[in-house]
Amino acid sequence: DIVMTQSPESLAASLGERATINCRSSQSILYTSNNRNYLAWYQQKAGQPPKLLIRWASTRESGVPDRFSGGGSGTDFTLTISSLQAEDVAVYYCQQYYSVPPTFGPGTKVGIK
Amino acid sequence: EVQLVETGGGLIQPGGSLRLSCAASGLTVSSNYLTWIRQAPGKGLEWVSLIYGGNNTYYADSAKGRFTISRDNSKNTVYLQMNSLRAEDTAVYYCARASRDGYNFWAYWGQGTLVTVSS
Repeated sequence: DIVMTQSPESLAASLGERATINCRSSQSILYTSNNRNYLAWYQQKAGQPPKLLIRWASTRESGVPDRFSGGGSGTDFTLTISSLQAEDVAVYYCQQYYSVPPTFGPGTKVGIK
Repeated sequence: EVQLVETGGGLIQPGGSLRLSCAASGLTVSSNYLTWIRQAPGKGLEWVSLIYGGNNTYYADSAKGRFTISRDNSKNTVYLQMNSLRAEDTAVYYCARASRDGYNFWAYWGQGTLVTVSS
């Protein structure tokens, strides 16, 4: 199974500040035949199901604010919130879908300083 | 609009059985990739099982031999039959739809149903 790790475990930033979450996979999740990274990012607010933010490592879902961006390739990825808002308080998970079983990172809790 | 509604959770003793249901609307279960994902209290997300196509199924190692995923096309519902339940199966169980072309990321989720395994 591909193991996903995330750092930091939690972070707190001021409103309007940049927040960056790192995600690493135990093996490459770049499928070379189509040059796509099989990585998704989710946001989960308290008491709610996860919400898909980004697929293919950097493709934002419809309706997701453009302050959210995803980057990276191979085994190292980032989720960046360019200007943290109060409504961004949540736990963020990365997830690989390169192989079965699909696996999630342990999550990063984002709060406001 | 796609909607997934899970039911069937509750308190069950270790060793017991429970069947979860996921009623779908806005999509046809027979032509979609439907998945169960669980989240233990205060913990992260764990993929459990997937059904698609004719009756192709996949399971996490933690579910193999104990859980069975199935669907009833006439009711547009997917099920998760859970047997030999253990305390570590305590979680909110979510039903989710994978992408239309079968990639295992999930844009549509139900609200979840809580399963508590305890004596």
